[in-house]
Amino acid sequence: ETGVTQSPTHLIKTRGQQVTLRCSSQSGHNTVSWYQQALGQGPQFIFQYYREEENGRGNFPPRFSGLQFPNYSSELNVNALELDDSALYLCASSLDLAGGRVYSDTQYFGPGTRLTVL
Amino acid sequence: EDQVTQSPEALRLQEGESSSLNCSYTVSGLRGLFWYRQDPGKGPEFLFTLYSAGEEKEKERLKATLTKKESFLHITAPKPEDSATYLCAVLGASYDKVIFGPGTSLSVIP
Repeated sequence: ETGVTQSPTHLIKTRGQQVTLRCSSQSGHNTVSWYQQALGQGPQFIFQYYREEENGRGNFPPRFSGLQFPNYSSELNVNALELDDSALYLCASSLDLAGGRVYSDTQYFGPGTRLTVL
Repeated sequence: EDQVTQSPEALRLQEGESSSLNCSYTVSGLRGLFWYRQDPGKGPEFLFTLYSAGEEKEKERLKATLTKKESFLHITAPKPEDSATYLCAVLGASYDKVIFGPGTSLSVIP
C-alpha cells in the first residue's frame, strides 16, 4: 500500500509570487483534504475535494485554490503570496463511501511541504 | 462557533510516569473526534476515532476516552519514543470541515 506523498519538501518564494503544491493520495482513496499548519499551531482546514470537485472549504480566501485529478492526485495553488502564508502545508487522503460526505473514518496525512515566503 | 482547546500546552514526564492529555470541544452535533500524533517536521499520524460519549479505544500505551464535552488521551508508563505533539480534532454535524486543536507537546525523559 502506497502512502500519501507530497512535493516539494521545501519551497521558498517571495511575496506576490504564485506557488503550486502537489499531493499523491494513498492508493484507493477518493478524497483529498488540504491543511495549513503554522508553527506551534494545529492544522487549519483549507478545502476538500471528492471526485474532482470541491465539497468543503475553510476560512481561506479565493487565492487558495485546488484541483483533484482522475487518478486522485491533487494540487494546491496559492496566488499573490503573503508573508503569513509561510507554513507547513499538509495533504490528507481518505476513502469516502458516503457519497461526498466531508470526512470518513480515517485521514492519512502526507509529510507536508514547508513553504517560506520572504 | 465550533472550537477545540487542548491542555496542557506542554507536558514533561519521566519515563514510566503516567498522565492524561485533555481535549475540550464545542461543536454542534459531534460526528467524530480524532486523535493524531505528530513528530517534528512530519505529517500527523492517525491514532483514534471516537464517535459517542462513553466510547473508549486503546492502542499500546495509549487510551482515548470521550464524554459530551471533552476527550482524554491517557498515557500509561510512557517511553521516550512517545515524545511528540498530540493533536485532537472534531467533525461537527455540518460535515463541512474538521477543526483541530492547538496540540499538546509531550516530552518523556529517560
